[in-house]
Amino acid sequence: SQQGEEDPQALSIQEGENATMNCSYKTSINNLQWYRQNSGRGLVHLILIRSNEREKHSGRLRVTLDTSKKSSSLLITASRAADTASYFCATAPTSGTYKYIFGTGTRLKVLA
Amino acid sequence: NAGVTQTPKFQVLKTGQSMTLQCAQDMNHNSMYWYRQDPGMGLRLIYYSASEGTTDKGEVPNGYNVSRLNKREFSLRLESAAPSQTSVYFCASSERSLLGYEQYFGPGTRLTVT
Repeated sequence: SQQGEEDPQALSIQEGENATMNCSYKTSINNLQWYRQNSGRGLVHLILIRSNEREKHSGRLRVTLDTSKKSSSLLITASRAADTASYFCATAPTSGTYKYIFGTGTRLKVLA
Repeated sequence: NAGVTQTPKFQVLKTGQSMTLQCAQDMNHNSMYWYRQDPGMGLRLIYYSASEGTTDKGEVPNGYNVSRLNKREFSLRLESAAPSQTSVYFCASSERSLLGYEQYFGPGTRLTVT
């Protein structure tokens, strides 16, 4: 399988705490994206970081990318109960930009 | 503006039956994709269509066929369903931007093959 790996597989935190999840991938990439999936729903795009970028912010989200380690992290600050969802990273390999490879996901539960 | 729509939402098939999953997008996107999602496996690309008139295999194309009917519609066909094809199927579309290919997903079709 070409799938990326995410860790942890599951994470449970209290409202107001920060949540960090990590993604590792195997091939050289053009860009890396993070998506959220609420239970039983389609995926929603959160943020995209290009291979020449090291850090990006969007609201309460902070994404880092280390291409030398083939890894990325997503930080959600001041989490809310509404952040409860599964989070997936997706990479666009340089060899075929349309063939996105999704990670296995991190299930985040934020307790009120 | 409905985004990406998929029909049906749920389907139960017997082994050997055939069916077509429909997908349409109203965002004028060039590229469309079909994924399957199995528990603990994330999403795996079945087929994609970079632009109208073209289709290409993804990671897991065996047992499936696709048709890019026009710019809006991209269908996925199971000719002879097997229990291993029990999964949730997602269609997505994207348009190239300066930043890359943000994908927009439909709500999914939950398929059970008995």
